Amino acid sequence: QSALTQPASVSGSPGQSITISCTGTSSDVGGFNYVSWYQQHSGKAPKLIIYDVSYRPSGISHRFSGSKSGNTASLTLSGLQADDEADYYCSSYTSSSTPYVFGTGTRVTVL
Amino acid sequence: QVQLVQSGAEVKKPGSSVKVSCKASGDTFSTTSFTWVRQAPGQGLEWMGEIIPMFGRANYAQKFEATVTITADESTSTAYMELSGLRFDDTAVYFCATRPRKCTGGSCSSKDWFETWGQGTLVTVSS
Repeated sequence: QSALTQPASVSGSPGQSITISCTGTSSDVGGFNYVSWYQQHSGKAPKLIIYDVSYRPSGISHRFSGSKSGNTASLTLSGLQADDEADYYCSSYTSSSTPYVFGTGTRVTVL
Repeated sequence: QVQLVQSGAEVKKPGSSVKVSCKASGDTFSTTSFTWVRQAPGQGLEWMGEIIPMFGRANYAQKFEATVTITADESTSTAYMELSGLRFDDTAVYFCATRPRKCTGGSCSSKDWFETWGQGTLVTVSS
């Protein structure tokens, strides 16, 4: 099972919006609405920010939103803030013998 | 919500084994899915395997089937991940995480996201 494909890095200025893509196949992202997103600050554990494509857990800012089209899921960060600077990973359920796969990760830089 | 506390950093020789623990708080241990995720230095996240204590049987990523053993002790609410035949490229931070169990209309299932994470355990393989 190959990792889902994400851009290595995305940057934006404070207040701007950025979008991170997560591309898989019909056996994972495209086949199920089980995409989740995680934020990981340097040296810390990942933190769930989106589940089931577009749902936010309690306590997660409305500035984070998720969507999916075909085999590609997307995470949008609006009103970019300094604290958004972190690594972001997508994950999807898969129909393979390895039931979950993560994305390659995207480093977000706030300029 | 469950909280997870992992065991401390380890330094191991090549060829040896390491066992990392993940102690959970709360009263839903037996029905919670415990997942292990690996992150090599500067690299991404990698799903290794998981166990639901009430069922006992672990499920592994194909890559780790021969070298990883995941177990759970309900008496201490602790999940374990043992990695054998350590190689230098097993040097990584190992995280435990839980998938929440939700019940609707009398039917319960583990959901497909990783809700709570342990703090991570650094395993260094060095001669």
